[in-house]
Amino acid sequence: GQQVMQIPQYQHVQEGEDFTTYCNSSTTLSNIQWYKQRPGGHPVFLIQLVKSGEVKKQKRLTFQFGEAKKNSSLHITATQTTDVGTYFCAGYQGGSEKLVFGKGMKLTVNP
Amino acid sequence: NAGVTQTPKFQVLKTGQSMTLQCAQDMNHEYMSWYRQDPGMGLRLIHYSVGAGITDQGEVPNGYNVSRSTTEDFPLRLLSAAPSQTSVYFCASSQKTPGVADTQYFGPGTRLTVL
Repeated sequence: GQQVMQIPQYQHVQEGEDFTTYCNSSTTLSNIQWYKQRPGGHPVFLIQLVKSGEVKKQKRLTFQFGEAKKNSSLHITATQTTDVGTYFCAGYQGGSEKLVFGKGMKLTVNP
Repeated sequence: NAGVTQTPKFQVLKTGQSMTLQCAQDMNHEYMSWYRQDPGMGLRLIHYSVGAGITDQGEVPNGYNVSRSTTEDFPLRLLSAAPSQTSVYFCASSQKTPGVADTQYFGPGTRLTVL
């Protein structure tokens, strides 16, 4: 079945650093979504990417969908302590009616 | 709008007991789903529904039943609780199926412990 893998699973950065996390699917996706979950909270929708090669920005966060629509990346610029949490990507494969989540990337920030 | 609500927030069960986790949304969403979250495992889909009267299985459906008699409610039933079902359960809803809708709204979660 469809699998979505995220790397790395854990990321520890110094406040102010940039970093990138990746999401890879075993199958071609119709769209990919990103969510953020704060410690003790529930996942909150961040963004959806639909088109091949699409790039979307939200303040310091840049999301990209690969040309083959099998991978995606999230780049955070100048990390802040408010960015702490677990980031999930979730892929939708056409016709399945299911969203498949990766295992998440847990971000900690050293102030 | 209250969004997606879940009750209870916390529950402790003994092995073999049954219970129902409640989920309701007031956004008239067609698509509803249940996930379980375990450490290091991400969110795994248990069951989902594309509309009232229609349900289907996700990745990990064994030991769980669902029904969708109204658009608003999507309860999850544990038939005979087992320690392996200790987890945090999230209900989510979206206006349409994930291929059409661009946002899934998650409830606050139910933390279940089975002894």
